[in-house]
Amino acid sequence: DIQMTQSPSSLSASVGDRVTITCRASQSISNYLNWYQQKPGKAPKLLIFAASSLQSGVPSRFSGSGSGTDFTLTISSLQPEDFATYYCQQSYSSPRTFGQGTKVEIK
Amino acid sequence: QVQLQESGPGLVKPSGTLSLTCAVSGGSITSSNWWSWVRQPPGKGLEWIGEIYHSGSTNYNPSLKSRVTISVDKSKNQFSLKLSSVSAADTAVYYCARDWTGIGVAGTSFDYWGQGTLVTVSS
Repeated sequence: DIQMTQSPSSLSASVGDRVTITCRASQSISNYLNWYQQKPGKAPKLLIFAASSLQSGVPSRFSGSGSGTDFTLTISSLQPEDFATYYCQQSYSSPRTFGQGTKVEIK
Repeated sequence: QVQLQESGPGLVKPSGTLSLTCAVSGGSITSSNWWSWVRQPPGKGLEWIGEIYHSGSTNYNPSLKSRVTISVDKSKNQFSLKLSSVSAADTAVYYCARDWTGIGVAGTSFDYWGQGTLVTVSS
């Protein structure tokens, strides 16, 4: 299985801050990497697919980059509705695997 | 707009079989997508269980493969999950999701999700 490791596991930030979350794969996955946002009691929501493509309806303050083993999710200016847990997920090989999550909390 | 809705018992006894169904509306289960089950133990991360194509082809997570069966009912536009020999470790919110393959896009992604259903394994 491909292991996905996110860092940090949690972070505290203020509204308006630029936030960066990192995801590292245990082997190269090209750009077969997705990012999801999950709020308490809700299903995950797709934000970014294929490492850098913004899902329809997702605000442009979200962006993704990377290829191979190292990937980044950036929120350019954190908004109140962005406080949530973020997961990366690889679709390069089966079984699909997720990172452990990064919880973004209010400072 | 595709919608997915999970249904099934919220409580299963240890050693029993967990059975859930995912009803798909707003789109056809025979579209060119795979359909997946994902679970999340309380307070923990996400685990992919397996997927099915409308032809009946399946892929399972090796960690659960010996206990999992995913099936499809095209006439009802739904797919189902059975997990046998359950224990407390199988207590989780179970989600169904569409595994979308975009044209010219690398890989797949879960673009539509059900709201999730909590299944508790307890006597």
